[in-house]
Amino acid sequence: TQLLEQSPQFLSIQEGENLTVYCNSSSVFSSLQWYRQEPGEGPVLLVTVVTGGEVKKLKRLTFQFGDARKDSSLHITAAQPGDTGLYLCAGPSNFNKFYFGSGTKLNVKP
Amino acid sequence: DAGVIQSPRHEVTEMGQEVTLRCKPISGHDYLFWYRQTMMRGLELLIYFNNNVPIDDSGMPEDRFSAKMPNASFSTLKIQPSEPRDSAVYFCASSLGRVSYGYTFGSGTRLTVV
Repeated sequence: TQLLEQSPQFLSIQEGENLTVYCNSSSVFSSLQWYRQEPGEGPVLLVTVVTGGEVKKLKRLTFQFGDARKDSSLHITAAQPGDTGLYLCAGPSNFNKFYFGSGTKLNVKP
Repeated sequence: DAGVIQSPRHEVTEMGQEVTLRCKPISGHDYLFWYRQTMMRGLELLIYFNNNVPIDDSGMPEDRFSAKMPNASFSTLKIQPSEPRDSAVYFCASSLGRVSYGYTFGSGTRLTVV
């Protein structure tokens, strides 16, 4: 059982569509990070959210941290083929161990 | 900075052989992590170092796996003897601080044991 559950596991959409992926836990996290991993490469940090309720925007990507700091979401507006990749959430739990979620594999078709 | 550098990028070896994976972290980063990624299990933390000292190796699968960090700019992960179930992508990552600034990953080593 993963401490960080991500959904959906797979998502295939057309260019221009909007999408949201979720990261949920029963544990409280002091912060959450989102990474994107492209095929053949390591994960790359996109953003860190720290405060419950925080919203951060990175161009067409909007990240939200839940009020209770147990969940986070990533919304992509007008998806492009360059957004294709594996999206991972990660963070330290109260036990001071760092966890990665299982990821959402996104495919954006031109 | 060139980022975290891992070598080799690909390794194919026969069962029973020794495999050594190498990592050069970002200069100035005080934490170094070794992860393994598979389709079934995702990213698994194997071991991490702080200032070259191993802190938590509870993720190392068994005694066949060992890791060293002789200095701040170099680390190795060794598997001896290798088995087919060790086939995976192995990532090294480094960070400044345990969590706050995020991890910088290398491009990984794809290991295939036949």
